[in-house]
Amino acid sequence: EPEVTQTPSHQVTQMGQEVILRCVPISNHLYFYWYRQILGQKVEFLVSFYNNEISEKSEIFDDQFSVERPDGSNFTLKIRSTKLEDSAMYFCASSPGMVEKLFFGSGTQLSVL
Amino acid sequence: RKEVEQDPGPFNVPEGATVAFNCTYSNSASQSFFWYRQDCRKEPKLLMSVYSSGNEDGRFTAQLNRASQYISLLIRDSKLSDSATYLCVVNQYGNKLVFGAGTILRVKS
Repeated sequence: EPEVTQTPSHQVTQMGQEVILRCVPISNHLYFYWYRQILGQKVEFLVSFYNNEISEKSEIFDDQFSVERPDGSNFTLKIRSTKLEDSAMYFCASSPGMVEKLFFGSGTQLSVL
Repeated sequence: RKEVEQDPGPFNVPEGATVAFNCTYSNSASQSFFWYRQDCRKEPKLLMSVYSSGNEDGRFTAQLNRASQYISLLIRDSKLSDSATYLCVVNQYGNKLVFGAGTILRVKS
């Protein structure tokens, strides 16, 4: 069964450093997403991406965040200057169409020290 | 009013029990509704989509009430393996799918 894959599974970084989280969505899906979940809190929407551009973003997704689809398979989330409060599980998801069910990767646990 | 609101629980039920969860949403224009389950520290996994006519998948039944803006999930004959957090998901606008905080279910033998 096709699945969304994310790397790395864990990332530890120092405050102020840049990190890139990587995702390979399901190959025939058209919509891509990033969500995050701070420990003990709900899953929060960050951004959706379609046709090589951002289609929706939340207020969390400020200038320190960016997304890119550098080739036909990868989808990345860059956090430019990490803060302690960026520590969370980051989930990538894809869907075949607009507002259709999401398929999630297993997540990247980001720890900012 | 929160975009998507759920009773956090926990619901503690014995094996074989029937349990129901509700979820309310704020945007009357929302078009897509889902139930996901999340096991501890894992990714959310789709349980079922929710349709206006209601739908059933084995022991699970989902209902949508647009007039009252709530969604329900009924689980019959609960199994130990049903223990998880159940997440209500609604499209808020455009392509933004919003998650509720989840309802914890614990099924005990």
